[in-house]
Amino acid sequence: EPEVTQTPSHQVTQMGQEVILRCVPISNHLYFYWYRQILGQKVEFLVSFYNNEISEKSEIFDDQFSVERPDGSNFTLKIRSTKLEDSAMYFCASSEELASSDTQYFGPGTRLTVL
Amino acid sequence: SQKIEQNSEALNIQEGKTATLTCNYTNYSPAYLQWYRQDPGRGPVFLLLIRENEKEKRKERLKVTFDTTLKQSLFHITASQPADSATYLCAPGHGSSNTGKLIFGQGTTLQVKP
Repeated sequence: EPEVTQTPSHQVTQMGQEVILRCVPISNHLYFYWYRQILGQKVEFLVSFYNNEISEKSEIFDDQFSVERPDGSNFTLKIRSTKLEDSAMYFCASSEELASSDTQYFGPGTRLTVL
Repeated sequence: SQKIEQNSEALNIQEGKTATLTCNYTNYSPAYLQWYRQDPGRGPVFLLLIRENEKEKRKERLKVTFDTTLKQSLFHITASQPADSATYLCAPGHGSSNTGKLIFGQGTTLQVKP
């Protein structure tokens, strides 16, 4: 069964450093998402992406964050200057259709630890 | 503001019993509601979607109800098994968004004891 993959599984970085989290969505999906989950808290929406542009972003997704689809398979989340509070699990998801009535398939996540 | 509430306390039940989890929402009227399962350190996995014109939806041992008057969804697992132990998340459809955004509740952790 096709699945969303994410790399790395765990990223440790120093505060102020840039990180890039990578995702390979399911191949025939056109809609891509990033969510994050701070330890012990709920899964929070960050951004949705379609047709090479952001469809919607949350208040969390400030100027320090950016997303990109650099080629036909990868979808990346960049954090320019990490803060301690960026430590969380980051989940990538993809879906075939554009509607929150459509199933989203989540990757296994990248655990980001900012020291 | 829009709010989604799930029991924050863990639900502990004996194997073979029916587990019932609750999702309440306020200040909006979703046209559909999704339930996901999340295991520790893993991403959510889709289980069921129910639309506002459906009172009940079933899939194997799972059953979801959706009461738009009470603004509540109930998620049932019958004949529960230890493998059902996980956190269950509800995500009422965000009607004002057409970008696929999912807004999740806090989740309820289910522990099924053998």
